[in-house]
Amino acid sequence: DTAVSQTPKYLVTQMGNDKSIKCEQNLGHDTMYWYKQDSKKFLKIMFSYNNKELIINETVPNRFSPKSPDKAHLNLHINSLELGDSAVYFCASSQDLGRREAFFGQGTRLTVV
Amino acid sequence: KQEVTQIPAALSVPEGENLVLNCSFTDSAIYNLQWFRQDPGKGLTSLLLIQSSQREQTSGRLNASLDKSSGRSTLYIAASQPGDSATYLCAVNNQAGTALIFGKGTTLSVSS
Repeated sequence: DTAVSQTPKYLVTQMGNDKSIKCEQNLGHDTMYWYKQDSKKFLKIMFSYNNKELIINETVPNRFSPKSPDKAHLNLHINSLELGDSAVYFCASSQDLGRREAFFGQGTRLTVV
Repeated sequence: KQEVTQIPAALSVPEGENLVLNCSFTDSAIYNLQWFRQDPGKGLTSLLLIQSSQREQTSGRLNASLDKSSGRSTLYIAASQPGDSATYLCAVNNQAGTALIFGKGTTLSVSS
């Protein structure tokens, strides 16, 4: 069983469109995250959620809106996509706000054309 | 603001060699430090987690050390194998445990 799963794995879309990336974890963790890996492979935190509540919003444009319907899911919705949004987006989870190790999904490669 | 630096950026070694990857961070107020491995086009695989109160952790051929006061960690890989070829990422968890701050990684290539 995959611990942290993201869908879709690849997403190609046109500028201006709205898209969503879904994330689910079956580890029973309380904390979930979204990270962005840019073209230079640098990973940076976007959002942290703990028990469905937003903990960190790290200077992310408000075109990005995370939604946590329950503790096992953290979806990322992106409005009005721009070329610069092209990146790999990783979902992750951990127990107790990072006191234990973080587990990452396989990533979603978003390409905006 | 916490910054994480990994040296070297790339490393090529022959099979069987022991090697050390370095990670430094600017703010010693961390909760823990985690080493990951990333294969091309894949997600991150957790290798070792060291809590701020610990000095080292071992898993198989991997040994990670932490010197919090000097802001340094090392990942030691013994008897390297071609299958170890990947990018190794160091990340520190801020003191609140709310986010991992990553270095840019060391890309390791082990030739047979």
